[in-house]
Amino acid sequence: NAGVTQTPKFRVLKTGQSMTLLCAQDMNHEYMYWYRQDPGMGLRLIHYSVGEGTTAKGEVPDGYNVSRLKKQNFLLGLESAAPSQTSVYFCASSYSPGVWTEAFFGQGTRLTVV
Amino acid sequence: QKEVEQDPGPLSVPEGAIVSLNCTYSNSAFQYFMWYRQYSRKGPELLMYTYSSGNKEDGRFTAQVDKSSKYISLFIRDSQPSDSATYLCAMSAMDSWGKLQFGAGTQVVVTP
Repeated sequence: NAGVTQTPKFRVLKTGQSMTLLCAQDMNHEYMYWYRQDPGMGLRLIHYSVGEGTTAKGEVPDGYNVSRLKKQNFLLGLESAAPSQTSVYFCASSYSPGVWTEAFFGQGTRLTVV
Repeated sequence: QKEVEQDPGPLSVPEGAIVSLNCTYSNSAFQYFMWYRQYSRKGPELLMYTYSSGNKEDGRFTAQVDKSSKYISLFIRDSQPSDSATYLCAMSAMDSWGKLQFGAGTQVVVTP
């Protein structure tokens, strides 16, 4: 099925460990986004990409890095995990800004940092 | 102060009632207004999308945008238990590369 797939779905990390979250879309979308969702805060944008090889900072980028080496993949990295990064992470992709009927979210990655 | 304010609820209604949800915002540059539905442990899914001001209806759902008051609403008629979810409002400006600003989400519970 077409859509946005996130890997892994769940992960527990120890403080200081590193990990990479993978987002893959098969809809040939140019734009991809990483959000985090925390109770009472809604979704907040971490980083985004407007095309292959491009990345930009969002609202809460500190402690995260991203890469978009292939158009269909957007990777989110945590170099040294902290308890404050415990959250649910969502990836989204869209055909173009403003075409919101063509925007989709993944199912989320639940990350706990202990 | 957050750019988008949304009452987190929970909002509990009996089956068949009208659910009324709303968000206020402070950024006058917002032009695209969306409502997402999010079931527990799932990703958000687009429910309604409105560009600029006005009303939009889709089945049991009606979205309203009042840009002069910086206020948007979502109404769900004849609510069903399957409508129990968290509803998130989201907004975007024209030149923002599609970046969405979300409200905190309102949890809705429809009781049979």
